[in-house]
Amino acid sequence: GNSVTQMEGPVTLSEEAFLTINCTYTATGYPSLFWYVQYPGEGLQLLLKATKADDKGSNKGFEATYRKETTSFHLEKGSVQVSDSAVYFCALNSGSARQLTFGSGTQLTVLP
Amino acid sequence: NAGVTQTPKFQVLKTGQSMTLQCAQDMNHEYMSWYRQDPGMGLRLIHYSVGAGITDQGEVPNGYNVSRSTTEDFPLRLLSAAPSQTSVYFCASRTEGTDTQYFGPGTRLTVL
Repeated sequence: GNSVTQMEGPVTLSEEAFLTINCTYTATGYPSLFWYVQYPGEGLQLLLKATKADDKGSNKGFEATYRKETTSFHLEKGSVQVSDSAVYFCALNSGSARQLTFGSGTQLTVLP
Repeated sequence: NAGVTQTPKFQVLKTGQSMTLQCAQDMNHEYMSWYRQDPGMGLRLIHYSVGAGITDQGEVPNGYNVSRSTTEDFPLRLLSAAPSQTSVYFCASRTEGTDTQYFGPGTRLTVL
């Protein structure tokens, strides 16, 4: 079946540090890949997505590239801010109804 | 647009009680889903619907019922609550032809 594996957290960084959160997946067919972000006390928001191999999704300084050869979709940001503190979820969609399969989430804390 | 709304925000039940978690969306989305979020496990799909009158099971459907009598509403029913159903529940929706799901703010349920 489909699955998503994320690096375990929590991750704590200082402001302006470089961020990488690893994500690998197992899927049949041709899924789209997503990163969702959950700020404290809120629901999930789509951060970025990529729909086919070699596509790069980007938003708010975050980037991730769909790598079919390594089945990966790692999230990166060059300089994190305190406001980036949140839980980040990697996900893929699959099946006839294109439902989401999520990774376990990575808690990011950015210190001033 | 209010987007996806969920009520209540918090609920405490005793084992064996029943209740309904409400979810509504005003975006005329065909697809609606229910997820539960547990620590270290990401979000798991409970049930989903591809349109009014059509529902299907997700990864963890046991103990939950759904129905979809209108496009706007997708209630989740717990018939006899158990402590294992203590979780945060998220409703989501999307429109046909797109990958992006919109999430509600969540309902935090505790079963004693």
